[in-house]
Amino acid sequence: QVQLQESGPGLVKPSGTLSLTCAVAGVSISDTYWWSWVRQTPEKGLEWIGEIFHNGNTNYNPSLRSRVTMSVDKSKNQVSLNLTSVTAADTAIYFCARDCGRGPDDFWGQGILVTVSS
Amino acid sequence: DIQMTQSPSALTASVGDRVTITCRASQNIYASLNWYQQRPGKAPELLIYAASSLQSGVPSRFSGSGSGTDFTLTISSLQPEDSATYFCQKSNSIFRFGQGTKVEIK
Repeated sequence: QVQLQESGPGLVKPSGTLSLTCAVAGVSISDTYWWSWVRQTPEKGLEWIGEIFHNGNTNYNPSLRSRVTMSVDKSKNQVSLNLTSVTAADTAIYFCARDCGRGPDDFWGQGILVTVSS
Repeated sequence: DIQMTQSPSALTASVGDRVTITCRASQNIYASLNWYQQRPGKAPELLIYAASSLQSGVPSRFSGSGSGTDFTLTISSLQPEDSATYFCQKSNSIFRFGQGTKVEIK
Protein backbone atom coordinates (compact mmCIF):
# COMPACT_ATOMS: atom_id res chain seq x y z
CA GLN A 1 0.00 0.00 0.00
CA VAL A 2 1.67 3.18 -1.20
CA GLN A 3 1.48 6.17 1.11
CA LEU A 4 2.79 9.68 0.57
CA GLN A 5 2.81 12.04 3.55
CA GLU A 6 3.68 15.70 3.20
CA SER A 7 5.08 17.56 6.19
CA GLY A 8 6.58 20.93 7.01
CA PRO A 9 5.76 24.34 8.46
CA GLY A 10 2.21 25.47 7.90
CA LEU A 11 3.24 29.12 8.12
CA VAL A 12 6.13 30.79 6.32
CA LYS A 13 7.10 34.46 6.43
CA PRO A 14 7.20 36.54 3.24
CA SER A 15 10.63 36.50 1.56
CA GLY A 16 11.44 33.29 3.42
CA THR A 17 11.89 29.75 2.14
CA LEU A 18 9.12 27.17 2.03
CA SER A 19 10.54 23.71 2.83
CA LEU A 20 8.44 20.57 2.61
CA THR A 21 9.15 16.86 2.86
CA CYS A 22 7.26 13.96 1.39
CA ALA A 23 7.73 10.68 3.23
CA VAL A 24 7.15 7.71 0.96
CA ALA A 25 5.99 4.33 2.28
CA GLY A 26 5.20 1.11 0.45
CA VAL A 27 7.56 1.76 -2.44
CA SER A 28 11.21 2.65 -2.78
CA ILE A 29 12.22 6.12 -3.85
CA SER A 30 14.78 4.38 -6.03
CA ASP A 31 12.15 2.58 -8.09
CA THR A 32 11.51 3.89 -11.60
CA TYR A 33 9.12 6.69 -10.71
CA TRP A 34 9.19 10.45 -10.94
CA TRP A 35 8.27 12.29 -7.73
CA SER A 36 6.32 15.49 -8.24
CA TRP A 37 5.13 18.48 -6.31
CA VAL A 38 1.85 20.13 -7.26
CA ARG A 39 0.12 23.02 -5.55
CA GLN A 40 -3.47 24.19 -5.52
CA THR A 41 -5.15 27.51 -4.83
CA PRO A 42 -8.75 28.61 -5.38
CA GLU A 43 -7.51 31.38 -7.68
CA LYS A 44 -5.06 29.51 -9.91
CA GLY A 45 -6.25 25.93 -9.51
CA LEU A 46 -3.73 23.10 -9.82
CA GLU A 47 -0.17 24.08 -10.71
CA TRP A 48 2.56 21.54 -11.39
CA ILE A 49 5.76 22.70 -9.67
CA GLY A 50 8.17 20.08 -10.90
CA GLU A 51 9.46 16.53 -10.53
CA ILE A 52 12.58 14.61 -9.55
CA PHE A 53 13.92 11.15 -10.35
CA HIS A 54 15.89 9.10 -7.83
CA ASN A 55 19.15 9.86 -9.64
CA GLY A 56 18.58 13.57 -9.09
CA ASN A 57 17.35 14.48 -12.55
CA THR A 58 14.74 17.22 -12.34
CA ASN A 59 12.15 18.95 -14.47
CA TYR A 60 10.77 22.24 -13.16
CA ASN A 61 7.89 24.45 -14.24
CA PRO A 62 9.59 27.39 -16.02
CA SER A 63 7.37 29.82 -14.14
CA LEU A 64 8.91 28.69 -10.81
CA ARG A 65 12.30 27.36 -11.90
CA SER A 66 14.33 30.23 -10.49
CA ARG A 67 12.95 29.62 -6.98
CA VAL A 68 12.55 25.83 -6.81
CA THR A 69 14.88 23.09 -5.67
CA MET A 70 13.90 19.45 -5.25
CA SER A 71 15.99 16.71 -3.70
CA VAL A 72 15.85 13.01 -2.87
CA ASP A 73 16.99 11.35 0.37
CA LYS A 74 17.27 7.65 -0.36
CA SER A 75 18.26 6.78 3.21
CA LYS A 76 14.98 8.23 4.50
CA ASN A 77 12.92 7.31 1.44
CA GLN A 78 11.69 10.85 1.05
CA VAL A 79 11.71 13.77 -1.33
CA SER A 80 11.92 17.44 -0.49
CA LEU A 81 10.83 20.75 -1.94
CA ASN A 82 12.39 24.16 -1.32
CA LEU A 83 10.74 27.29 -2.67
CA THR A 84 12.61 30.53 -2.01
CA SER A 85 11.54 34.17 -1.81
CA VAL A 86 7.93 33.32 -1.07
CA THR A 87 5.05 35.78 -1.19
CA ALA A 88 1.38 35.57 -0.34
CA ALA A 89 0.84 34.19 -3.86
CA ASP A 90 2.64 31.02 -2.77
CA THR A 91 -0.05 30.28 -0.17
CA ALA A 92 -1.51 26.97 -1.31
CA ILE A 93 -2.13 23.33 -0.59
CA TYR A 94 1.03 21.48 -1.62
CA PHE A 95 0.76 17.89 -2.84
CA CYS A 96 3.43 15.30 -3.30
CA ALA A 97 2.73 12.80 -6.09
CA ARG A 98 4.22 9.76 -7.71
CA ASP A 99 4.42 9.75 -11.51
CA CYS A 100 2.06 12.72 -11.76
CA GLY A 101 0.86 12.92 -15.33
CA ARG A 102 2.86 9.89 -16.40
CA GLY A 103 0.28 7.14 -16.47
CA PRO A 104 -1.36 4.46 -14.34
CA ASP A 105 1.09 4.65 -11.42
CA ASP A 106 -0.03 8.25 -10.74
CA PHE A 107 -0.72 8.61 -7.00
CA TRP A 108 -0.96 11.63 -4.69
CA GLY A 109 -0.50 12.40 -1.02
CA GLN A 110 -3.24 14.16 0.90
CA GLY A 111 -1.56 17.55 0.74
CA ILE A 112 -0.48 20.18 3.24
CA LEU A 113 -1.68 23.74 3.55
CA VAL A 114 1.10 26.31 3.64
CA THR A 115 0.28 29.93 4.37
CA VAL A 116 2.69 32.76 3.63
CA SER A 117 2.10 35.56 6.11
CA SER A 118 3.96 37.72 8.58
CA ASP B 1 3.02 27.68 -23.53
CA ILE B 2 0.17 25.26 -24.18
CA GLN B 3 -2.99 26.29 -22.35
CA MET B 4 -5.76 23.92 -21.26
CA THR B 5 -9.36 25.19 -21.26
CA GLN B 6 -12.21 23.21 -19.73
CA SER B 7 -15.92 23.72 -20.17
CA PRO B 8 -18.26 24.12 -18.52
CA SER B 9 -16.78 25.44 -15.27
CA ALA B 10 -19.70 23.91 -13.38
CA LEU B 11 -22.77 21.82 -14.06
CA THR B 12 -25.70 20.36 -12.20
CA ALA B 13 -27.25 17.10 -13.34
CA SER B 14 -29.52 14.35 -12.05
CA VAL B 15 -28.62 10.84 -11.06
CA GLY B 16 -28.62 8.70 -14.19
CA ASP B 17 -27.86 11.58 -16.55
CA ARG B 18 -25.14 11.43 -19.15
CA VAL B 19 -22.56 14.12 -18.42
CA THR B 20 -19.92 15.44 -20.80
CA ILE B 21 -16.97 17.67 -19.93
CA THR B 22 -14.69 19.06 -22.60
CA CYS B 23 -11.06 20.11 -22.53
CA ARG B 24 -9.33 22.02 -25.29
CA ALA B 25 -5.58 22.41 -25.71
CA SER B 26 -4.19 25.51 -27.39
CA GLN B 27 -1.89 23.31 -29.49
CA ASN B 28 -1.83 19.70 -30.65
CA ILE B 29 -1.01 17.43 -27.71
CA TYR B 30 -1.85 14.21 -29.57
CA ALA B 31 -3.24 11.83 -26.91
CA SER B 32 -1.24 13.27 -24.02
CA LEU B 33 -4.24 14.04 -21.83
CA ASN B 34 -5.28 12.84 -18.39
CA TRP B 35 -8.47 13.33 -16.38
CA TYR B 36 -8.62 13.58 -12.60
CA GLN B 37 -11.43 13.57 -10.05
CA GLN B 38 -11.10 15.58 -6.85
CA ARG B 39 -13.58 15.30 -4.03
CA PRO B 40 -13.72 18.09 -1.42
CA GLY B 41 -10.78 18.01 0.95
CA LYS B 42 -9.10 15.17 -0.93
CA ALA B 43 -6.24 14.83 -3.37
CA PRO B 44 -6.93 14.46 -7.09
CA GLU B 45 -7.24 10.87 -8.31
CA LEU B 46 -6.46 9.68 -11.82
CA LEU B 47 -9.50 8.55 -13.81
CA ILE B 48 -8.31 8.44 -17.41
CA TYR B 49 -4.80 8.53 -18.87
CA ALA B 50 -3.56 8.82 -22.44
CA ALA B 51 -6.91 10.36 -23.39
CA SER B 52 -8.93 7.16 -23.27
CA SER B 53 -7.35 4.54 -20.99
CA LEU B 54 -9.40 3.83 -17.88
CA GLN B 55 -7.37 3.77 -14.67
CA SER B 56 -7.59 0.51 -12.73
CA GLY B 57 -10.46 0.52 -10.22
CA VAL B 58 -12.35 3.36 -11.90
CA PRO B 59 -15.98 2.53 -12.75
CA SER B 60 -16.68 1.83 -16.41
CA ARG B 61 -19.25 4.64 -16.57
CA PHE B 62 -16.27 6.96 -16.96
CA SER B 63 -14.74 7.24 -20.41
CA GLY B 64 -12.42 9.57 -22.25
CA SER B 65 -12.03 10.38 -25.91
CA GLY B 66 -10.32 12.78 -28.25
CA SER B 67 -6.92 13.59 -29.66
CA GLY B 68 -5.05 16.60 -30.93
CA THR B 69 -6.69 19.60 -29.29
CA ASP B 70 -10.19 18.47 -28.30
CA PHE B 71 -10.94 15.97 -25.57
CA THR B 72 -14.01 14.75 -23.71
CA LEU B 73 -14.70 13.09 -20.38
CA THR B 74 -18.05 11.33 -20.27
CA ILE B 75 -19.93 9.93 -17.31
CA SER B 76 -22.51 7.65 -18.88
CA SER B 77 -24.87 7.46 -15.89
CA LEU B 78 -24.18 9.98 -13.14
CA GLN B 79 -24.07 8.59 -9.60
CA PRO B 80 -24.25 10.48 -6.28
CA GLU B 81 -20.60 9.69 -5.52
CA ASP B 82 -19.55 11.43 -8.76
CA SER B 83 -20.16 14.82 -7.17
CA ALA B 84 -16.66 16.28 -7.44
CA THR B 85 -14.43 18.57 -9.46
CA TYR B 86 -12.85 17.17 -12.60
CA PHE B 87 -9.59 18.37 -14.09
CA CYS B 88 -7.89 17.68 -17.38
CA GLN B 89 -4.08 17.71 -17.57
CA LYS B 90 -1.73 17.60 -20.49
CA SER B 91 0.81 14.87 -19.92
CA ASN B 92 3.80 15.93 -21.96
CA SER B 93 6.50 18.38 -20.93
CA ILE B 94 4.96 20.82 -18.41
CA PHE B 95 2.01 19.01 -16.82
CA ARG B 96 -0.46 21.89 -17.03
CA PHE B 97 -4.00 21.47 -15.72
CA GLY B 98 -7.34 22.80 -16.84
CA GLN B 99 -9.23 25.05 -14.45
CA GLY B 100 -11.67 22.36 -13.42
CA THR B 101 -15.35 21.49 -13.81
CA LYS B 102 -17.45 21.20 -10.68
CA VAL B 103 -20.17 18.56 -11.00
CA GLU B 104 -23.10 18.75 -8.63
CA ILE B 105 -26.05 16.41 -8.24
CA LYS B 106 -29.52 17.88 -8.60
